[in-house]
Formats: sequence, structure tokens, C-alpha cells
Amino acid sequence: GDSVTQMEGPVTLSEEAFLTINCTYTATGYPSLFWYVQYPGEGLQLLLKATKADDKGSNKGFEATYRKETTSFHLEKGSVQVSDSAVYFCALITSGYSGYALNFGKGTSLLVTP
Amino acid sequence: NAGVTQTPKFRVLKTGQSMTLLCAQDMNHEYMYWYRQDPGMGLRLIHYSVGEGTTAKGEVPDGYNVSRLKKQNFLLGLESAAPSQTSVYFCASSFPQSADTQYFGPGTRLTVL
Repeated sequence: GDSVTQMEGPVTLSEEAFLTINCTYTATGYPSLFWYVQYPGEGLQLLLKATKADDKGSNKGFEATYRKETTSFHLEKGSVQVSDSAVYFCALITSGYSGYALNFGKGTSLLVTP
Repeated sequence: NAGVTQTPKFRVLKTGQSMTLLCAQDMNHEYMYWYRQDPGMGLRLIHYSVGEGTTAKGEVPDGYNVSRLKKQNFLLGLESAAPSQTSVYFCASSFPQSADTQYFGPGTRLTVL
């Protein structure tokens, strides 16, 4: 079945460092891909998305490009801030019985220190 | 707008007890979902609903029941709680034309002893 694999955490970075969180997917169809973020004590929020190959999603300085040839959707940010500390989830959605629901990776915890 | 709200925020149950988690949204969304989040597991879909009066099973439905009597509410019931149901439960909602953009509630932390 469809699935998402993302890098294990936790990831600890100093403020202003470059961030990459790897995400790869397996899907039988043509999924849409997402990054959701969960700040401490809160629910998940959509961070960015891409719906077809070569699309780039971006928001709040974060970017991710839908790479069909490598089945990847890596999250990047050029300069992280303390306020970016959160858990990041890669996800996909495809058609099917659960096509209305997102298929999440296990999450990657990011801690940014001053 | 309150968005998606969940009641209660925390609950401790004993094995065999029952309870109902309430999710409410004020965004007029047709679709609603219940997920559970366990350490190292990401989120897994329990049940979902594509409209008032309709529900469907997700990936991990066993031990749970749901009802969608009103468009704005989606209830998740545990008839006989088990320790394996200790988890954080998230409700979400969306429009059908943008089901990929889901709005999540703050979660309910449930512990079953």
C-alpha cells in the first residue's frame, strides 16, 4: 500500500542553520504530497503541499519539491529559527477507500537552539 | 471562528469503561476524520465521515464507534476501553473539493489504566 518514510529524529540545529528533513514515498497512483507541522501542545497544521511532479511547495521560508524520479519530497529551510521547533510530518493522499484521509509518516522532531 | 474543537482535552479511564470524544467544527466542512497518534507511529485514521449521517472505517477502526448526527459534530466512542487505546486523538475536517487540506483540533490525551 501507499506509505511515507521520513528520516528519524530528533534533529537538533543551531539558530540560522540549514535544515533538510528527508521524505520518500511509495504510491501506486499519482499522490499529492504534504508537509504538516505540529507545534508543542497543538494539532497539526498544513505547512505546504505539491500536487504533481516538479511542483514546489513553499511557506514561511520552507520549501519542498515533488520529485517523481526519486519519489521524494524533502523539506528544506535556509535559516531556521527557535520558533521552528516542532514535529514535522510528511504525508500523501491518493484515491481509494481511505483516499479522503492523509497517510502520514512517523514524524521528525526538530529542536532549534539559540 | 473557533475552527475545530475537541472535548475533553484530557481523560483517564479504567479498563472496561466507556466514553465519548466530541469534535465540533464551525467551518461548514462536509468531511470529518478521527485519527490517533502514538509515539513513533505518526497518525492513523480511525474513522471518517463524508457527510451528515454517513461514516466509514479507516485504517484502525476496531474498538471504536462513531456518529455524525449533525454536520458540525463528529463523535468517537469507546464502548469498553483497553490499555491499547491509550493515545492522543485528533479530529480533523475539510471541504470535499480540498480534502487534502485538513484542519486539525488540538487533540485529546486519553490514558486507559
